[in-house]
Amino acid sequence: QVQLVESGGGVVQPGRSLRLSCAASGFTFSNYAMHWVRQAPGKGLEWVAAISFDGNSRYYADSVKGRFTISRDNSKNTLYLQMNSLRAEATAVYYCARSSFDSGSHYFDHWGQGTLVTVSS
Amino acid sequence: QSVLTQPPSASGTPGQRVTISCSGSSSNIESNTVNWYQQLPGTAPKLLIYSNNQRPSGVPDRFSGSKSGTSASLAISGLQSEDEADYYCAAWDDGLNGVVFGGGTKLTVL
Repeated sequence: QVQLVESGGGVVQPGRSLRLSCAASGFTFSNYAMHWVRQAPGKGLEWVAAISFDGNSRYYADSVKGRFTISRDNSKNTLYLQMNSLRAEATAVYYCARSSFDSGSHYFDHWGQGTLVTVSS
Repeated sequence: QSVLTQPPSASGTPGQRVTISCSGSSSNIESNTVNWYQQLPGTAPKLLIYSNNQRPSGVPDRFSGSKSGTSASLAISGLQSEDEADYYCAAWDDGLNGVVFGGGTKLTVL
C-alpha cells in the first residue's frame, strides 16, 4: 500500500535551516508529482511547493519562494524540502502529498502523517 | 486570508443534509477542477472528492461535490457523527501558479 513517511522536523532557531524528508513506498515514486503542504497550529492547510515527477519543474508559494527548495531523489524514493532563513511563521506540521492526475484534474490522493517544525528561540 | 472562501463552521443533526460552499475566481475554480479534503481531528487530510464530483473508492456516496462558475460545494447527506471534521476545498490557481486552499469548514454534528 502507498506510504509516505515524513521526517526531519524539530525545534529550530529563527534564521537557521532545516531539511525535511519524505520516504515513499508502495508505488512507483518516479511516476508522480509530489507536493508539500503545511498546517500551522490551529490553522488551515497551506500549499508550500510542488515538484514534477522528473524533478524538472518546481513551483512555490509566494510565502516561501527564495527560501525553501523542493527536490527529489527518484533512486531513493525520497522527497525533500530544504528550508532556509526560517521564521516563526514557518511553525507548522509539514505534510508531503502524492499528486495524481485523472481526466484533467490534479489532486492529492495520499498524504503522509506529517512532521512538526517549530521555529523558536 | 485564503484565496478560496469557505464558511468557518457548519452544523447539522444526524440524518440531515448539509452543504459547504467554496467561492473562488476565474483563475482557480472557474478554470480548474475542485477537490475536497476531510481532516478528522488529529489526523492527516484525506481526499474526499476530486475533479469536482468524483469520489475515490471507499468514500461513501453520502458525499457529493458540484461546481458552477467560480463556486463549488460539498454536500453530505445522512449526516453521521463520524462526519465531524474539518473540510477543505482546493484548486490550482493559474495566476499564482500553485494550489490554493479554502480556509476550512469545521463541521459539527449536533
